[in-house]
Amino acid sequence: KQEVTQIPAALSVPEGENLVLNCSFTDSAIYNLQWFRQDPGKGLTSLLLIQSSQREQTSGRLNASLDKSSGRSTLYIAASQPGDSATYLCVVNGNGGSQGNLIFGKGTKLSVKP
Amino acid sequence: ETGVTQTPRHLVMGMTNKKSLKCEQHLGHNAMYWYKQSAKKPLELMFVYSLEERVENNSVPSRFSPECPNSSHLFLHLHTLQPEDSALYLCASSQDNRADFTYEQYFGPGTRLTVT
Repeated sequence: KQEVTQIPAALSVPEGENLVLNCSFTDSAIYNLQWFRQDPGKGLTSLLLIQSSQREQTSGRLNASLDKSSGRSTLYIAASQPGDSATYLCVVNGNGGSQGNLIFGKGTKLSVKP
Repeated sequence: ETGVTQTPRHLVMGMTNKKSLKCEQHLGHNAMYWYKQSAKKPLELMFVYSLEERVENNSVPSRFSPECPNSSHLFLHLHTLQPEDSALYLCASSQDNRADFTYEQYFGPGTRLTVT
């Protein structure tokens, strides 16, 4: 059974710092991996999607990496801003390789202080 | 089992058909969501309902019509869809949808829709 773990559960940093959020999963047979942002009172916003054949994806100040063999993904946020404060979710698509089975981590709650 | 069920699990429909997707949550939650997961694309939020009122509509075409008759049930009515609407449609619920707190969302297994 696929399990997704995110470390740390909460993180508080001063504005301008670079930071890394970690995600690990137990079954390497995944279809893709997504990083989401969740703001209070809002639905999920997709940040980056990495297909199983890819190693990393970049969007602006965000970079996500994927190492299937070790069951790890990281989300790197450069030059953090107060507007980055949110809960970040790692979501693995696929359990044994089948598409559509989304397994969520519990999230990392990020607070960026001005 | 997450406590969120969706039916049907698979649906094939023609472009002129009318069909409905159903979502039911057994968690006592107040907020429900529809998401679209297209092949090789990120998950897209479609609609958000809080206490049976629609609070968010992310520029979804009118051929998708949501309905939330009570806090446990959410429907997505489909009519005159296009082949590009083929996707996995996911329903989710959360305890609440307040602006000052993030609640974990519980997802159903999804309905895989194919439009021919």
